[in-house]
Amino acid sequence: DAGVIQSPRHEVTEMGQEVTLRCKPISGHDYLFWYRQTMMRGLELLIYFNNNVPIDDSGMPEDRFSAKMPNASFSTLKIQPSEPRDSAVYFCASILGDRVGSGYTFGSGTRLTVV
Amino acid sequence: DQQVKQNSPSLSVQEGRISILNCDYTNSMFDYFLWYKKYPAEGPTFLISISSIKDKNEDGRFTVFLNKSAKHLSLHIVPSQPGDSAVYFCAASADKYGNKLVFGAGTILRVKS
Repeated sequence: DAGVIQSPRHEVTEMGQEVTLRCKPISGHDYLFWYRQTMMRGLELLIYFNNNVPIDDSGMPEDRFSAKMPNASFSTLKIQPSEPRDSAVYFCASILGDRVGSGYTFGSGTRLTVV
Repeated sequence: DQQVKQNSPSLSVQEGRISILNCDYTNSMFDYFLWYKKYPAEGPTFLISISSIKDKNEDGRFTVFLNKSAKHLSLHIVPSQPGDSAVYFCAASADKYGNKLVFGAGTILRVKS
């Protein structure tokens, strides 16, 4: 079990560019979550999927953000166009949904810097 | 609208003593509460959880207490070890599987040797 794998670990991009963050959840997990961590807002949920279907995207800040999960082993979070205020650490997490209260497994995060 | 609050940004404790981290919540619909630990440059790691039908849950050196009437929970670490130095996040969920977590801002714990 390699855990939740995120790539890249670090991304520096210029304002206006498209950014794509990637996540491979733990095999067999049926829920996948994208969180963003900033100093001002802490850890906030952006979107989550169940069985590859987006369930709640109410945390996605704007239309510039989009997320997909084309299959059970891969998800992307895209920002287009990126802005400096998007700079944050983005975490992906997964869980087997019937493990009540057993906690997500988080990836190591992608630190995004938009200059 | 902060539904989960950790009012102490940091805590410093001597090795071997008890660490007590506190968390308050406002949403009475929350029915699962979890604690995560986070080291720098890593993702948060699940530590311990408690259902709203319980008032205490223990796992080794870690105990979580829940006071529903006060909407307050706490994490006790006994004895504290230098390796416990990390950021601790309290989280809560209102859905039946304990998913869709709302996190507090975190408390930095420093255990001095």
